[in-house]
Amino acid sequence: GQQVMQIPQYQHVQEGEDFTTYCNSSTTLSNIQWYKQRPGGHPVFLIQLVKSGEVKKQKRLTFQFGEAKKNSSLHITATQTTDVGTYFCAGGNNDMRFGAGTRLTVKP
Amino acid sequence: DVKVTQSSRYLVKRTGEKVFLECVQDMDHENMFWYRQDPGLGLRLIYFSYDVKMKEKGDIPEGYSVSREKKERFSLILESASTNQTSMYLCASSLLLASSYEQYFGPGTRLTVT
Repeated sequence: GQQVMQIPQYQHVQEGEDFTTYCNSSTTLSNIQWYKQRPGGHPVFLIQLVKSGEVKKQKRLTFQFGEAKKNSSLHITATQTTDVGTYFCAGGNNDMRFGAGTRLTVKP
Repeated sequence: DVKVTQSSRYLVKRTGEKVFLECVQDMDHENMFWYRQDPGLGLRLIYFSYDVKMKEKGDIPEGYSVSREKKERFSLILESASTNQTSMYLCASSLLLASSYEQYFGPGTRLTVT
């Protein structure tokens, strides 16, 4: 199946700093989804992007879908301790594949 | 609220045992999925199902089988458990096409094979 690559694997930030995770595919994706998994929890859907160049915001979170629909990013402005967790992208056409995730830790 | 439940949170089995992991969803979703989650490898798709009695292999089906006799229930079977199947197993469900609809995950089963 298709592969979705996600970087970085880990990111440790000071509270208040920004954070970005990137997702890349070698093939064009029909859509991309982002999920968050809190420590000890299960992945929870955050958002879906469908259109080329699409940008969506959820409070301090900004999601982008590349013009070629092969990459995506999630940016968190001014991280808080509640942002701790692993962020996954999932992309696909007829079926979805998850990236390996970026584990975010935040130092108060 | 969509609810996806899994039969056990923690399971310890011996090498060679047959293991059943059960997943039930209560929202009449067509699609159901089984993933395993390992550190650094993310969520890897084992099997999925678009309909009752229908199954499709994911990326890592070896050593696993599945059963979907009823729409709400999707079972993962390890015919002969091995230590390399020690992992977190996550079940998920979604409406219609997986690429267009969010997946709802269960709490996971942490399986240890000794």
